[in-house]
Amino acid sequence: NAGVTQTPKFRVLKTGQSMTLLCAQDMNHEYMYWYRQDPGMGLRLIHYSVGEGTTAKGEVPDGYNVSRLKKQNFLLGLESAAPSQTSVYFCASSYLGNSPLHFGNGTRLTVT
Amino acid sequence: DAKTTQPPSMDCAEGRAANLPCNHSTISGNEYVYWYRQIHSQGPQYIIHGLKNNETNEMASLIITEDRKSSTLILPHATLRDTAVYYCIVREHNNAGNMLTFGGGTRLMVKP
Repeated sequence: NAGVTQTPKFRVLKTGQSMTLLCAQDMNHEYMYWYRQDPGMGLRLIHYSVGEGTTAKGEVPDGYNVSRLKKQNFLLGLESAAPSQTSVYFCASSYLGNSPLHFGNGTRLTVT
Repeated sequence: DAKTTQPPSMDCAEGRAANLPCNHSTISGNEYVYWYRQIHSQGPQYIIHGLKNNETNEMASLIITEDRKSSTLILPHATLRDTAVYYCIVREHNNAGNMLTFGGGTRLMVKP
């Protein structure tokens, strides 16, 4: 049981490049989330999903897109990366909307 | 969801109890108190949650005041591995998405 796995762990992009961050969970959780964390700050919710095929915007969704084609996977896309998107990205999942969240260990993204 | 206030940092001697306070004076009747922690470079880890009764699990105890306007997370015998940022969050149990909002948290330093 691996829990929540994020790939890649590290990535450096140039401004304007695109990339996709992958989150996979093996706990059969319905809910999945993407957060970003900037130095000295708490986590901010980007997008979330309440089930396969559904997505919704969080607190800071601009510049990101997501997809939940399979229940176990939640993808976060950056179509045209900007330096302001330099951050650590965390994926999380929960069994239900009121269940505790399980987090991955993050993807450290630098946009130059 | 109600806002929380936590001290930015605290120290604790190894082996002693760590008592982390949280104020949530605007909490509503159906909002739960959650605690998570984040050890350096890792994803946040769920610790405990409660509504109005005190709760205890293998990691910690949660004491909620009778008026529910504040709470305390207690780590009974802190170890060096408990050094982390601790987040207190209040949120309503619903199925519209577990939009936990993480603030700045308390940076707990456990010292030998």
